[in-house]
Amino acid sequence: SYVLTQPPSVSVAPGQTARITCGGNNIGSKSVHWYQQKPGQAPVLVVYDDSDRPSGIPERFSGSNSGNTATLTISRVEAGDEADYYCQVWDSSSDHYVFGTGTKVTVL
Amino acid sequence: EVQLVESGGGLVQPGRSLRLSCAASGFTFDDYAMHWVRQAPGKGLEWVSGISWNSGSIGYADSVKGRFTISRDNAKNSLYLQMNSLRAEDTALYYCAKDTVARAFDIWGQGTMVTVSS
Repeated sequence: SYVLTQPPSVSVAPGQTARITCGGNNIGSKSVHWYQQKPGQAPVLVVYDDSDRPSGIPERFSGSNSGNTATLTISRVEAGDEADYYCQVWDSSSDHYVFGTGTKVTVL
Repeated sequence: EVQLVESGGGLVQPGRSLRLSCAASGFTFDDYAMHWVRQAPGKGLEWVSGISWNSGSIGYADSVKGRFTISRDNAKNSLYLQMNSLRAEDTALYYCAKDTVARAFDIWGQGTMVTVSS
């Protein structure tokens, strides 16, 4: 089955840039989506199709995808960005939806 | 307002059954595939099952295949998950989620908690 690997944690100072990676075999050939989940809340879609943002998501959230790594970038990090972040793809070979292992972003 | 509301969770003994429901509102339910995603306490997200708009295509995670059955009633704007032969490892918060053309989940419910324990 297809596996997506994320770093367990990322720490960043306010105003700086956080980069969260999502590794998978030839992930660049797939569409990657990213979710933000704050404690006690349901996940929220923040980036879809590698780099598109749903309505209402700040431009500070951006994404890229190439080769074996997709990246979610959060610019000008704010305290409110502290959350868990998950990448997700649809694996066509198994027709399964796959989530990454998740990354906890801590704002220092 | 676009909304998904799950119900049916609770405490159940190992080996028993439970049926979850998800009521949708604020969008044209029968235009979209729908899914169940779960999250064990303190753990990450796990896709459980999905069903196409007309129930013609259904998929399950290997961990639940043969034990769980997903279904939908478009006339009632509702999604269901029949869970049989429950195990301790099925203990989780179960979310209902709406699919998109991009195969991303753009709308989520608040979840219903399932605890499997004797």
